[in-house]
Amino acid sequence: SFELTQPPSVSVSPGQTARITCSGDALPMQYAYWYQQRPGQAPVLVIYKDSERPSGIPERFSGSSSGTTVTLTISGVQAEDEADYHCQAADSSGTHVVFGGGTKLTVL
Amino acid sequence: QVQLVQSGAEVKKTGASVKVSCKASGYTFTTSGIIWVRQAPGQGLEWMGWISSGNTNYAQKFQGRVAMTTDTSTSTAYMELRSLRSDDTAVYYCARRFFATEEGQWFDPWGQGTLVTVSS
Repeated sequence: SFELTQPPSVSVSPGQTARITCSGDALPMQYAYWYQQRPGQAPVLVIYKDSERPSGIPERFSGSSSGTTVTLTISGVQAEDEADYHCQAADSSGTHVVFGGGTKLTVL
Repeated sequence: QVQLVQSGAEVKKTGASVKVSCKASGYTFTTSGIIWVRQAPGQGLEWMGWISSGNTNYAQKFQGRVAMTTDTSTSTAYMELRSLRSDDTAVYYCARRFFATEEGQWFDPWGQGTLVTVSS
């Protein structure tokens, strides 16, 4: 079965750069998507197709892909970026959806 | 603006069924599918299935216990989960589903979530 693996937590100080990884064997063949989920709120799409940013998402959010790992990078982290971040992809058939376990970003 | 508004919180007994609604506005409902995802307390996101143009695809874990439908006359999607257990206690989300053959699928925006509590 297809799985996506994320670190449970990442901590950074305000103004620093946060990098959150997501690993999976199918990622070289499938695009990855990232969602931000603030406490008590619904998820919000922040990156699509590995590295594209939807309108309204700050430029400090970026995505990249290398082999079996995709990375969400938040440059100049702000307190409001403290949230859970979830990666998502589809399996090789394109019909089933997989989410990573989520990474809690703490802004120190 | 594009918006999905879900029905309110539910409390159910073990063995009962629950039906959650998701009303879409701000776009032509039939041009996109709807995905359902749940999140147990303190846990990550769990895909349940999606419905698109009347076709459904359920995660294996929920097959036989879940039914997803739509009412195009009211732009509303429904998710019914049967034979509820205590571990079905979770927030249930709907989201607009985008799909492209070479790009996979992604979900935007999401509904506000519906808390379903199952107890004996």
